[in-house]
Amino acid sequence: DARVTQTPRHKVTEMGQEVTMRCQPILGHNTVFWYRQTMMQGLELLAYFRNRAPLDDSGMPKDRFSAEMPDATLATLKIQPSEPRDSAVYFCASGLTSVDEQFFGPGTRLTVL
Amino acid sequence: AQSVTQLGSHVSVSEGALVLLRCNYSSSVPPYLFWYVQYPNQGLQLLLKYTTGATLVKGINGFEAEFKKSETSFHLTKPSAHMSDAAEYFCAVSPYGNNRLAFGKGNQVVVIP
Repeated sequence: DARVTQTPRHKVTEMGQEVTMRCQPILGHNTVFWYRQTMMQGLELLAYFRNRAPLDDSGMPKDRFSAEMPDATLATLKIQPSEPRDSAVYFCASGLTSVDEQFFGPGTRLTVL
Repeated sequence: AQSVTQLGSHVSVSEGALVLLRCNYSSSVPPYLFWYVQYPNQGLQLLLKYTTGATLVKGINGFEAEFKKSETSFHLTKPSAHMSDAAEYFCAVSPYGNNRLAFGKGNQVVVIP
C-alpha cells in the first residue's frame, strides 16, 4: 500500500529555532506539493515541485522558508528562524502529472512557542 | 486562474438525514473537479473526482457529486448521514491536464445523533 510519509508527525520548538520537515513521496510520483493548514487561512499551497525542480514557491515566506528535493525520494521544508505564527499543520502531497489526483501524507503538526 | 467557493464553514446534519455540501468554481479552461475528506488528525484523502464523461460521479462511503457546467457547480451529497461522516470536506479544481489543485476553504461536518 503506497503512501506518502512525513516526519516528524509532531514538533514543538521555541521561537528562533530551525525546523526541518521531511516527506517521502510515493515511489514513481514526479510532483510534490507542500501545504500549510491553519484554522484562519485554511489550506495554503507553499511550494510545488515537478521532477525535483521547484516550479512555484510563491506561497512561501522567502526570508525564512526554504523547500528542496535532494533526490526523488525526499522533499524537505525548512523554517529558519521559526516564529509562533508558523504554528500549523504542514502537509506534503505527491502525484503524477499524467494523473490528476494528489496523495496526501499525514502531516506534521508544528508548534512554535 | 481557478478558484473554489464553499459556503458555510460548519455544517450540522442529523444522523440519517441528507448531507449536501455546495461547491462552486471558476476556471478559465475545462476543469477537473475533486472532493477530498479529512478525518481528525489525518491527511486529506480523495472522495471522488470528475474529469470527463458522466457528470454524476460516485465516490467512496456512499457519496456522490454532480458536475453542472451551466451552474459552475459540483455539489456533494449523501442520502443518509452516518456518525462516521463527521470530518472536514474540501472541494478542489484543477485546469485540464494539470494536477495542481486549488482548494476551497472546507466544510466541517458535524453529525448529530
